[in-house]
Amino acid sequence: DAGVTQSPTHLIKTRGQQVTLRCSPKSGHDTVSWYQQALGQGPQFIFQYYEEEERQRGNFPDRFSGHQFPNYSSELNVNALLLGDSALYLCASSLKPGLAGRRFGPGTRLTVT
Amino acid sequence: GENVEQHPSTLSVQEGDSAVIKCTYSDSASNYFPWYKQELGKRPQLIIDIRSNVGEKKDQRIAVTLNKTAKHFSLHITETQPEDSAVYFCAALNYGGSQGNLIFGKGTKLSVKP
Repeated sequence: DAGVTQSPTHLIKTRGQQVTLRCSPKSGHDTVSWYQQALGQGPQFIFQYYEEEERQRGNFPDRFSGHQFPNYSSELNVNALLLGDSALYLCASSLKPGLAGRRFGPGTRLTVT
Repeated sequence: GENVEQHPSTLSVQEGDSAVIKCTYSDSASNYFPWYKQELGKRPQLIIDIRSNVGEKKDQRIAVTLNKTAKHFSLHITETQPEDSAVYFCAALNYGGSQGNLIFGKGTKLSVKP
């Protein structure tokens, strides 16, 4: 029974570029939540996807967008990268929004130079 | 919206001593409170959680207590070991609601000295 997986593990981009991060939920889960964790901080909620729609969004600009596919996997896209977007991006899955058991994937470490 | 405060930000204890980390939350609708341990460069790992219908939960050397009236919950680690050294995060969530995102505290860096 596979847990949450994310790709890539590390990524280096230049300011102004665009990036796409990917997440596959734990088997049996249908909801994907994305978090940003800056160095020395707790994870911050970006958004949540369920039934291929964005259900809830945190305090992040429109440069952050996402998508969920019919197989429940999800992508996080960030446009016009800023140095401040450098962080660990975590994905968590659950069965239905609002349910507990949020276990995180290994994360993608994004560095913007 | 929910706000979670966590204290202390750093905690240093001797091996074998106990460690206590405290969190307060603001939204009385929150009813699920997980604790995560994060080692350097790794993902947060769920170590214990508690729901609002329970006042205390134990798992070996780790326990969590919840005071719904005061809106605070605490993590207790007994007989600390060097491998307990990590950053610990508390979080709060409205379990079973139509929306559910975890709100995290800012973390406590625990150092256990041998």
